[in-house]
Amino acid sequence: GESVGLHLPTLSVQEGDNSIINCAYSNSASDYFIWYKQESGKGPQFIIDIRSNMDKRQGQRVTVLLNKTVKHLSLQIAATQPGDSAVYFCAEKGGYQKVTFGTGTKLQVIP
Amino acid sequence: GAGVSQSPSNKVTEKGKDVELRCDPISGHTALYWYRQSLGQGLEFLIYFQGNSAPDKSGLPSDRFSAERTGGSVSTLTIQRTQQEDSAVYLCASSFRPGWSTGELFFGEGSRLTVL
Repeated sequence: GESVGLHLPTLSVQEGDNSIINCAYSNSASDYFIWYKQESGKGPQFIIDIRSNMDKRQGQRVTVLLNKTVKHLSLQIAATQPGDSAVYFCAEKGGYQKVTFGTGTKLQVIP
Repeated sequence: GAGVSQSPSNKVTEKGKDVELRCDPISGHTALYWYRQSLGQGLEFLIYFQGNSAPDKSGLPSDRFSAERTGGSVSTLTIQRTQQEDSAVYLCASSFRPGWSTGELFFGEGSRLTVL
């Protein structure tokens, strides 16, 4: 069936550097693409989403890029901080359908 | 509280026993999801309730798993005759918009199930 997947299972970055987390998706019918952050022992938390008719959206220190041509989604975190250490999931949703999650990338911030 | 509440937070049971996990969504949220997360893994979709529509049960792994949502609010996930492979964290999430929505879900802290 349709799936959402990630290229890198673990990403280590130096504090203060920018982080880029990537995601490949296969369901071209999805309307929204979402990024979630999950800290240890907690449920995932919504970070930012992007509608399928957009290619870029910015939030506070985060930017999501969507490339529908190659079905690629990325999350950029500026000036990565120790508090950004977590597992990041991309997800997608189409219309009335369920939200489907990718496998996740663990971000480790090196002080 | 204002968030999604799940209980119990931890449950240890013996193989073959039945367990019930409860989810209290945020008041007014019409969509409710159950996901399963094994250690160090992603979120495996189980079931999705959306308003008065028939639930999407396509993710339930076997007929030992069932879920219901009473009165459009509280949901219970039941696992019968538990197996060791059922050990995982079961996450509940809700969304305030019925039907067409952006995919912003509000998650509970999860119920950690250990089957001995």
